[in-house]
Amino acid sequence: AQSVSQHNHHVILSEAASLELGCNYSYGGTVNLFWYVQYPGQHLQLLLKYFSGDPLVKGIKGFEAEFIKSKFSFNLRKPSVQWSDTAEYFCAVNVWNQGGKLIFGQGTELSVKP
Amino acid sequence: DTAVSQTPKYLVTQMGNDKSIKCEQNLGHDTMYWYKQDSKKFLKIMFSYNNKELIINETVPNRFSPKSPDKAHLNLHINSLELGDSAVYFCASSQDGASRQQYFGPGTRLTVT
Repeated sequence: AQSVSQHNHHVILSEAASLELGCNYSYGGTVNLFWYVQYPGQHLQLLLKYFSGDPLVKGIKGFEAEFIKSKFSFNLRKPSVQWSDTAEYFCAVNVWNQGGKLIFGQGTELSVKP
Repeated sequence: DTAVSQTPKYLVTQMGNDKSIKCEQNLGHDTMYWYKQDSKKFLKIMFSYNNKELIINETVPNRFSPKSPDKAHLNLHINSLELGDSAVYFCASSQDGASRQQYFGPGTRLTVT
């Protein structure tokens, strides 16, 4: 069965620090990849997505992610975090021909100290 | 101009009761989904419908029954509620049933006492 693994359960950073959140998936076929963010008490919002083409994708709020097919990874990065980035971050995979369902990682809680 | 809306936002009820959560999208999408987020914030798909037809039915107790009166609505009815049903339920929609971006609703926090 397909699965998504996020390496870090809880990350604590100071403002202006750089961020990298790891995400690996287990599926050898064609996938689409997503990072969603959930601010406290709010719904999921899309940060960025990868369908095809340039493996380095840029999203909203200065986030970017790199798809490395050989490593089955899709890590999220931001060069300088802000207090307002405090949230839960979810990596998700969508497998072709499976009705569009998203398979989520377990989430990474990011706390940014002012 | 909310894209995906859910009602109610909060639902507190007792074990054994039957309750429904409603979802509506005004994006003109063909596919809608229900996800469950547990107390550890893990998200898992429950159901999806494409143009009123059930497409995905994950391993979910048959006390949960989705209903799609039209492609803009996907409701979730839960019979005989149990403590373990306490969670946040998210509705989502996408343009079609392929690998497209999904838009999520605000969630319904269900608490069973």
